[in-house]
Amino acid sequence: KQEVTQIPAALSVPEGENLVLNCSFTDSAIYNLQWFRQDPGKGLTSLLLIQSSQREQTSGRLNASLDKSSGRSTLYIAASQPGDSATYLCAVGTSGTYKYIFGTGTRLKVLA
Amino acid sequence: NAGVTQTPKFRVLKTGQSMTLLCAQDMNHEYMYWYRQDPGMGLRLIHYSVGEGTTAKGEVPDGYNVSRLKKQNFLLGLESAAPSQTSVYFCASRWANQPQHFGDGTRLSIL
Repeated sequence: KQEVTQIPAALSVPEGENLVLNCSFTDSAIYNLQWFRQDPGKGLTSLLLIQSSQREQTSGRLNASLDKSSGRSTLYIAASQPGDSATYLCAVGTSGTYKYIFGTGTRLKVLA
Repeated sequence: NAGVTQTPKFRVLKTGQSMTLLCAQDMNHEYMYWYRQDPGMGLRLIHYSVGEGTTAKGEVPDGYNVSRLKKQNFLLGLESAAPSQTSVYFCASRWANQPQHFGDGTRLSIL
């Protein structure tokens, strides 16, 4: 059974810092992994999708990497801003199913 | 395009009442999902569908039923609501190996 873990659960950093959010999964047989952002009381906004054959994806200040063999993905945020404050969730799609398993998220606060 | 639309946005029910949540997508996506989100537990999959006329159970299906009679709509039903079903419900859809798109959620309280 796929299990997805996100550490740390919460993170507080000063504005301008580069930071890394982690997502670990137990079953390396995945077909893709998706990172989301969720603002309080809102829905989920897709940030990046990495296919199983890819090592990384980039969008603006965001870079997501995938290492299937070690069961890890990282989301790198460059030059953080107060507007980046939100909860970041990863979702893992496991091969052979159509289902996604979510981590419990990392709550990020960027201080001005 | 509207994307994924969930109806209603808020609802309060009494224990034992029934209701249906509607998810509609206008992107011609094959796959549709219903999740619930509870504090500290992330999103958990309730039911999903891989195409019109098909449904399958997710991680937490008990107490819920679903139907996908039309490709664009995915309905989630609560036959006899219980306080444990108080949650925020999200619908999502996707096409092939592309990203999931989420609706804005339905906040459901059961008294």
